[in-house]
Amino acid sequence: AQSVTQLGSHVSVSEGALVLLRCNYSSSVPPYLFWYVQYPNQGLQLLLKYTSAATLVKGINGFEAEFKKSETSFHLTKPSAHMSDAAEYFCAVSDYGGSQGNLIFGKGTKLSVKP
Amino acid sequence: SQTIHQWPATLVQPVGSPLSLECTVEGTSNPNLYWYRQAAGRGLQLLFYSVGIGQISSEVPQNLSASRPQDRQFILSSKKLLLSDSGFYLCAWSPGLAGINEQFFGPGTRLTVL
Repeated sequence: AQSVTQLGSHVSVSEGALVLLRCNYSSSVPPYLFWYVQYPNQGLQLLLKYTSAATLVKGINGFEAEFKKSETSFHLTKPSAHMSDAAEYFCAVSDYGGSQGNLIFGKGTKLSVKP
Repeated sequence: SQTIHQWPATLVQPVGSPLSLECTVEGTSNPNLYWYRQAAGRGLQLLFYSVGIGQISSEVPQNLSASRPQDRQFILSSKKLLLSDSGFYLCAWSPGLAGINEQFFGPGTRLTVL
């Protein structure tokens, strides 16, 4: 069964600093992996996804994530944080190829950006 | 393009009252549909999913139920709300095709049970 672990429920960075949000997954088959962002009182918005093509995936708002099979990781990064990046971020893994399209979500990491 | 709607946006209900939350999707056919709940500090909990009209799978036993009366309509209901039903309810859809699993979320409904 697939699972996702997000290290750190809260991460705080200064504006302009590197953002690194960690995600490790467990899957018995090659996974599909996703990062979502949620702003307060809103739904989740897809940032980027990995579907077994390029291991470095670029998403919206300057975010990217690298799939590392040997480390079973899919960490999210952004070179320079902006105040508008303050939100909660969720990593998710898919039940690969399942017609239900179910996703297993991590517990989320809340990102704060200090001026 | 596809859009997903949820209403109401916010709801305050007394304990023991009924509940009906509605979700509709536009611009796609035969989607998979999902209901999630977010309670404070607890991440997303999948409540129900549906792969077609009248087909509902429940992930967690509870006093909530779901129905899919039309292809692009998904309803979350309760006969008697509990305090523990408070939370942020999210509806999502995904293409009903194997191998394409990203989900697209609605704006959510904030439910407070008093």
